[in-house]
Amino acid sequence: TQLLEQSPQFLSIQEGENLTVYCNSSSVFSSLQWYRQEPGEGPVLLVTVVTGGEVKKLKRLTFQFGDARKDSSLHITAAQPGDTGLYLCAITYAGNMLTFGGGTRLMVKP
Amino acid sequence: EAGVAQSPRYKIIEKRQSVAFWCNPISGHATLYWYQQILGQGPKLLIQFQNNGVVDDSQLPKDRFSAERLKGVDSTLKIQPAKLEDSAVYLCASSLIPGGHYGYTFGSGTRLTVV
Repeated sequence: TQLLEQSPQFLSIQEGENLTVYCNSSSVFSSLQWYRQEPGEGPVLLVTVVTGGEVKKLKRLTFQFGDARKDSSLHITAAQPGDTGLYLCAITYAGNMLTFGGGTRLMVKP
Repeated sequence: EAGVAQSPRYKIIEKRQSVAFWCNPISGHATLYWYQQILGQGPKLLIQFQNNGVVDDSQLPKDRFSAERLKGVDSTLKIQPAKLEDSAVYLCASSLIPGGHYGYTFGSGTRLTVV
């Protein structure tokens, strides 16, 4: 059983469209992170959310941490081809280990 | 600051051969991690070091995988003998302090293909 479930697994959209991807768990976490990974590279940290209900914005990306701190969403407005990549959510588990979900693979077509 | 350095970038070996990967973390980062990422999946933690000591290696297949960080700086991960299912990207990451709250910095990874 995966600690973190991400959906959808794959998403292919046209440039300019909006999209939302989700990260869910049955457990409560103190904080959650989102990473983006481009082909041939390691994951790069986008944001950390800590407080239930917290919303953070990074240009066209909006991150939300659920009120109960068991889920999170990432919304991208007016997607661009440069947004293409694997989006991973991650939590700190058992104190020190960063555990990742399976990821959402996004392709934005020009 | 310089990022996390990994080498080689790519490696192709036959099954039952041995292979080693090298990682040099960001200067001053005490905590170092090795992750395995199979195609289409999220990274899975293999081992975590704090300075030159192992914090957690519960998910490391110890019959064939080994890792060391002798001087608390760079680290090597070895597979001996390799199996087909070891084909994956091996990512090294480091952090200034333990725990994921402030995020990890990842290297570009080593892509291993076992044939």
